[in-house]
This record gives sequence, C-alpha cells and structure tokens, in this order.
Amino acid sequence: DTEVTQTPKHLVMGMTNKKSLKCEQHMGHRAMYWYKQKAKKPPELMFVYSYEKLSINESVPSRFSPECPNSSLLNLHLHALQPEDSALYLCASSQGGLAGVIASTDTQYFGPGTRLTVL
Amino acid sequence: GIQVEQSPPDLILQEGANSTLRCNFSDSVNNLQWFHQNPWGQLINLFYIPSGTKQNGRLSATTVATERYSLLYISSSQTTDSGVYFCAVGGINYGGSQGNLIFGKGTKLSVKP
Repeated sequence: DTEVTQTPKHLVMGMTNKKSLKCEQHMGHRAMYWYKQKAKKPPELMFVYSYEKLSINESVPSRFSPECPNSSLLNLHLHALQPEDSALYLCASSQGGLAGVIASTDTQYFGPGTRLTVL
Repeated sequence: GIQVEQSPPDLILQEGANSTLRCNFSDSVNNLQWFHQNPWGQLINLFYIPSGTKQNGRLSATTVATERYSLLYISSSQTTDSGVYFCAVGGINYGGSQGNLIFGKGTKLSVKP
C-alpha cells in the first residue's frame, strides 16, 4: 500500500481564520514533507520532518506552522493567511534512513492534496 | 543550484499516438522520479529511475545519468494520460541528503479522442 491521505480536499478560509491541514500515511515511513503548488507551477518544498523532528524549513512564513505528532501523522496549522497563500498543498512521505538521515535515493509518495482558497 | 529542464512544455496528441518527454538536469543525481499529475492535482508516481531503463505497461523510461537526461515514453496514448508530467531529481550535492526533490516545470499533455 503506497497511500498517503490528506484532509480536507478543499478549504476556504478568511484571513483571520485558524485552520489545519492533515496528512496521514501507514507505510511505516519516517520522513514526511509539505509542498506548496501554485497554479501552473511545480511543487515547492516547504518543510521536511524526519523521525518526527523538523529537519528542513525552507524559509516559510510563520503563519504556516507544521506539526508531526507521531510517525504516521503530519499537520499544517494555518493562521492569518494572505490571499497569495491560495494554492494546492501536497503532503508526501518516504522511507527515511537510519539515525534520522533521509537518503537522497528515497522515493517520495504524494497525497491527493488540499486545495486552499484564502479570501 | 541544479537546473531541471523539461521539454516540450506543451504537447497535444491524438488518441493512439506515441510521445517522448525529455528531462535534462545540470548536475549528477542519485534520485530521479517521474510523476503524472492528473487534472485533480494528484501526483502519481510513475518511475523511480536514477539510471537505466524501466517499463510499466504503455509507459517506459530511460535515464542516461552520464549524459544528464531522462526520457519518458508514452505509447498508444489514451485520454486518461492527459495531465502534467513532472521530472524531479535529488542528489547529495544540493541538499539531497535531506531528501529534497527539485522539480522541473513539467510537460502538459493533452490527448484528444
């Protein structure tokens, strides 16, 4: 099973709202990722978690707050977003290596995404 | 950083036609994945192919790592093949030890009935 699930599928929020995106995988993977994809652009990496610890933050604004409560679950908490944050948010997971090092040879598996609209 | 270029940017085919999509990259890689993004946004893994040749049904892929390119072949195309095809690469020289994938801009494929 190579399934990564994401909820919700669609989300509309105002600039003062607080919402969360959820990602789950049951493949025993120890690395999980958040990507942001604007229309007609490729996905761009936001965050990487390895063994539930944040290992990469690609200079993402603090209005995006990731959380990895356990090895199967990854959340992205949203607060005070701007209309330009409207995008498809994709979660991915990969095997992860020993001692928390993610091998560059890891295959990443993506969820279906959450399409976010900020009004 | 590494540059990933895909060509052509857009491709329109009649159902049943064959096509070749290309991915050029500017540095050595030890991870290369091809994805199909369907119209609903789902990124579907097609191949993990940092080198060599693989086939899966009507799709096949070849990566010539020494010449820094990869090709994705689609034979007997169907309307369900429509979408955007992304090539993504990773390698130790540019943060690959953290699992970063660098995506090309994609090839948008439209298959007409």
